[in-house]
Amino acid sequence: SQELEQSPQSLIVQEGKNLTINCTSSKTLYGLYWYKQKYGEGLIFLMMLQKGGEEKSHEKITAKLDEKKQQSSLHITASQPSHAGIYLCGADKPGYQKVTFGIGTKLQVIP
Amino acid sequence: NAGVTQTPKFQVLKTGQSMTLQCAQDMNHNSMYWYRQDPGMGLRLIYYSASEGTTDKGEVPNGYNVSRLNKREFSLRLESAAPSQTSVYFCASSIQGKGEQFFGPGTRLTVL
Repeated sequence: SQELEQSPQSLIVQEGKNLTINCTSSKTLYGLYWYKQKYGEGLIFLMMLQKGGEEKSHEKITAKLDEKKQQSSLHITASQPSHAGIYLCGADKPGYQKVTFGIGTKLQVIP
Repeated sequence: NAGVTQTPKFQVLKTGQSMTLQCAQDMNHNSMYWYRQDPGMGLRLIYYSASEGTTDKGEVPNGYNVSRLNKREFSLRLESAAPSQTSVYFCASSIQGKGEQFFGPGTRLTVL
């Protein structure tokens, strides 16, 4: 089965700083999803990447997919307290209905 | 629209008791999912239903049963709860099994 490793597992940054979260797959990446989870709540979809080299942005959050490295990165520019939460990556593959999720990266932003 | 709703939000059970977690979506989605989330283990799929009338096992189905009652509702049943089933349970739905999944707020279950 596909395994997704996220790094770092936790991150504390000062407000205004940039940060990057990585998601590395043990197998070929086809569809890659990024979700955010606020503490004690359900997951909220951020974006989906499907093609190698694809890059998408949502407000101050940018995600990229590197097919060769089997990796996706999530970059937050000028972090704000509202960015705090757990970021999870998920991956699927053609013909399968299921998405496999990483353990998540816990982000704290200090004002 | 309410999106995905789950009941109850919190539940405490004794070992051996049974209960059903309810999930409903009002987005006319075909696919629905049940996950459990545990510290250090991430989000793991218990069961899913690709479409009305079908259900399939996920990664951790033992100790659970599901029913896709209709297109809107997908319930998860614990027949004889065990402490290992203490977890946060999330229901999710998607249009066609791919792409964006919409999650409910979760049910926090403690089994004593």
